[in-house]
Amino acid sequence: DADVTQTPRNRITKTGKRIMLECSQTKGHDRMYWYRQDPGLGLRLIYYSFDVKDINKGEISDGYSVSRQAQAKFSLSLESAIPNQTALYFCATSDGGFTEAFFGQGTRLTVV
Amino acid sequence: AQTVTQSQPEMSVQEAETVTLSCTYDTSENNYYLFWYKQPPSRQMILVIRQEAYKQQNATENRFSVNFQKAAKSFSLKISDSQLGDTAMYFCAFMAKDDKIIFGKGTRLHILP
Repeated sequence: DADVTQTPRNRITKTGKRIMLECSQTKGHDRMYWYRQDPGLGLRLIYYSFDVKDINKGEISDGYSVSRQAQAKFSLSLESAIPNQTALYFCATSDGGFTEAFFGQGTRLTVV
Repeated sequence: AQTVTQSQPEMSVQEAETVTLSCTYDTSENNYYLFWYKQPPSRQMILVIRQEAYKQQNATENRFSVNFQKAAKSFSLKISDSQLGDTAMYFCAFMAKDDKIIFGKGTRLHILP
């Protein structure tokens, strides 16, 4: 099983719908991140969390919210999806202290 | 705020050749880490190599090596004896003591047979 698991892997949703992307990890890491990948724009940080009570906005948090339900779970929500939120979304974890990030398999989200 | 710049959106090289991918960054921090990640068509993000800023010696992992120039804030990736399996997007990334990880826009690398 993967250390960082994202569900769903692919999703098509309609404009205006609420959608939640889920991430769970078995690495025991405190740091968790949500990124969005768009062609030509690389990976941009949406939110990051250092523990259950420490959640921080990244560079593109507008239109998104997150919930850190436990050390191992970090969910990303789109309250009212819009077409320009169509992208590949990645969850990542890190042990902090200058260690690398470990990524989930990504969620391909299409908003129609 | 830290920024990471990859100036080569796309590159192509012949198999077995050596290729260098460029990355520059901007920070006022003195202690940080730099990474190169590979994203093949499977879309999985795979760590290729990492460099600690306080280490002057350039990191090496098999055919992959970096040229880290701290004063110039440059962190290029060299792939030697390139293989078809090296075809992928490559992302340069920066991490400072706040544990935020900032990525560049990526370089799409094609290895031609």
